[in-house]
Amino acid sequence: QVQLVQSGAEVKKPGASVKVSCKTSGYTFIDSYLHWVRQAPGQGLEWLGWINPRSGGTNYAQKFQSWVTMTRDTSITTAYMELSGLKFNDTGMYYCARARKYYNSGTDFDFWGQGTLVTVSS
Amino acid sequence: SYVLTQPPSVSVAPGQTASITCGGNNIGGKSVHWYQQKPGQAPVLVVYDDSDRPSAIPERFSGSNSGDTATLTISRVEAGDEADYYCQVWDGYGDHWLFGGGTKLTVL
Repeated sequence: QVQLVQSGAEVKKPGASVKVSCKTSGYTFIDSYLHWVRQAPGQGLEWLGWINPRSGGTNYAQKFQSWVTMTRDTSITTAYMELSGLKFNDTGMYYCARARKYYNSGTDFDFWGQGTLVTVSS
Repeated sequence: SYVLTQPPSVSVAPGQTASITCGGNNIGGKSVHWYQQKPGQAPVLVVYDDSDRPSAIPERFSGSNSGDTATLTISRVEAGDEADYYCQVWDGYGDHWLFGGGTKLTVL
């Protein structure tokens, strides 16, 4: 069965960086794009961007282009999302999610990781 | 930029039908997806491509999309349907994905 398992909670100081991992299993890693979504406490869902695990190509939401980096390691079927220059309002839950459609365009997200709580605190 | 508008809350009695709307300019020309999120859990896909359901989702969940409004309909509402619901579309111009602000469904 398809599973996305994310790394554990993180506490970081303002200005630091955080790297969240998303370990996948149960399907062919390079056949499905992976997206990242975040949710501030008590708020809605916000799309951060995607990575194409086959090519390593990425596309980030304009708001995050300056400080998000998405990478992958195909040997261990794991994707990563790194946020730099953390601010207090970056606190929230970060999810990875699999694109259901092979070609990604217009896709929905059919499987989600359990989420990683990132807390930015001085 | 494209904006999706959802009502903050919808209330319904058990056994009744809940309708959750998602408004956007000519949203009928886009494919709309819907997610259910219960407290402390990750979102779950309940409807994709306007009206299709993943195999694990009950038939009580259905969707429609026309004009400027997409609608998620939940028939014979149960207490376990109480959750936040989010609509989602793809903005092909920028190859970006957008979520609505979410609707909290309360089962009375």
